[in-house]
Amino acid sequence: ELKVEQNPLFLSMQEGKNYTIYCNYSTTSDRLYWYRQDPGKSLESLFVLLSNGAVKQEGRLMASLDTKARLSTLHITAAVHDLSATYFCAVDPSADGLTFGKGTHLIIQP
Amino acid sequence: DAGITQSPRHKVTETGTPVTLRCHQTENHRYMYWYRQDPGHGLRLIHYSYGVKDTDKGEVSDGYSVSRSKTEDFLLTLESATSSQTSVYFCAISVGYPDGYTFGSGTRLTVV
Repeated sequence: ELKVEQNPLFLSMQEGKNYTIYCNYSTTSDRLYWYRQDPGKSLESLFVLLSNGAVKQEGRLMASLDTKARLSTLHITAAVHDLSATYFCAVDPSADGLTFGKGTHLIIQP
Repeated sequence: DAGITQSPRHKVTETGTPVTLRCHQTENHRYMYWYRQDPGHGLRLIHYSYGVKDTDKGEVSDGYSVSRSKTEDFLLTLESATSSQTSVYFCAISVGYPDGYTFGSGTRLTVV
């Protein structure tokens, strides 16, 4: 059974600080996805990582994928309040759907 | 953007009643999925479809059935709703690379 583990599950941080969210998964997958969800809203795609060593950046967020270690990271640089949300990673080793981590609830305080 | 709509957006129903949720896409994407989201569990796959009349079970399929008679519509049915099925339900479509998957706006279902 495929398992996807995120940590931390809850993170409170101050504006201006840096932090990293980790996503481990239990089976081989060359594709990994990061999503953002605001309260009461749907999932917004942040990054699609398609190969080992892939790195993508958008604003203050940067995601990377190490398929050999089965690990992805989402790094937040100089956090701002607008990045407060829940972040999910997910993998799909085959076409039969995504398996999600439980999500990281991120609160960024002034 | 792939057009994907879910209906209804909110529903309150009584225990034991049947409920059908609809997911509609405006493009001819082959793969469609139903997920439920519960606190502490993230999103879990209920059923998915890989074509008209082709469906398969996901991780949490007990108590749910699906149908896909047209490419654009994927229906999720709770034959006899229970309180444990109170949840937020998301439909998703696989739109290929580089975008991966697109999610609908969700249906908040409350079973009382």
